[in-house]
Amino acid sequence: AQTVTQSQPEMSVQEAETVTLSCTYDTSENNYYLFWYKQPPSRQMILVIRQEAYKQQNATENRFSVNFQKAAKSFSLKISDSQLGDTAMYFCAFRGQGGSEKLVFGKGTKLTVNP
Amino acid sequence: GAGVSQSPSNKVTEKGKDVELRCDPISGHTALYWYRQSLGQGLEFLIYFQGNSAPDKSGLPSDRFSAERTGGSVSTLTIQRTQQEDSAVYLCASSLRGVKNIQYFGAGTRLSVL
Repeated sequence: AQTVTQSQPEMSVQEAETVTLSCTYDTSENNYYLFWYKQPPSRQMILVIRQEAYKQQNATENRFSVNFQKAAKSFSLKISDSQLGDTAMYFCAFRGQGGSEKLVFGKGTKLTVNP
Repeated sequence: GAGVSQSPSNKVTEKGKDVELRCDPISGHTALYWYRQSLGQGLEFLIYFQGNSAPDKSGLPSDRFSAERTGGSVSTLTIQRTQQEDSAVYLCASSLRGVKNIQYFGAGTRLSVL
């Protein structure tokens, strides 16, 4: 079974600075998808960024980028120019190719952006 | 609709009572998922519906939990004889079919069992 590990329960960063959230995963599959979701206090999970394992190029979405290391099974999220609205829980998630297409989540990292 | 809608937003119930949680997926989405988010266990998959196929119930924690999806749209998650350990946020997500497709989440139902 796949597992996802987020080793940083909490992190904080100053506004306008850069922060990196870590995620590692375990799978025997070769093709899969990785995601970072953000969950603000409103509880609604919002997709931040997505990476397809067969793509070498790291995904980017505006201030958000990932460092995908397939051999190391690592998928970290970098947030540049942090904003107060980035304060939230961040979840790393894995989705395999087969089966029910369910997401397997890490435990989450609580990020606080300080003014 | 514009997004995934879940109701009620919050539900308080007494131990032993049955509860029903509702999910309205995004119009046109054929896949629907239920997840549970609790302090101790994080986010766990419960059940998955895809079109007219048999649902994947592999994540349901006990036979007190059941779910149905009527007409390929609205889904109801039912918990019978609730226990205190059922207290959690129940999240619903929907997507178009296929692993490439993004799951869009509702705001969840916070269930508190007293």
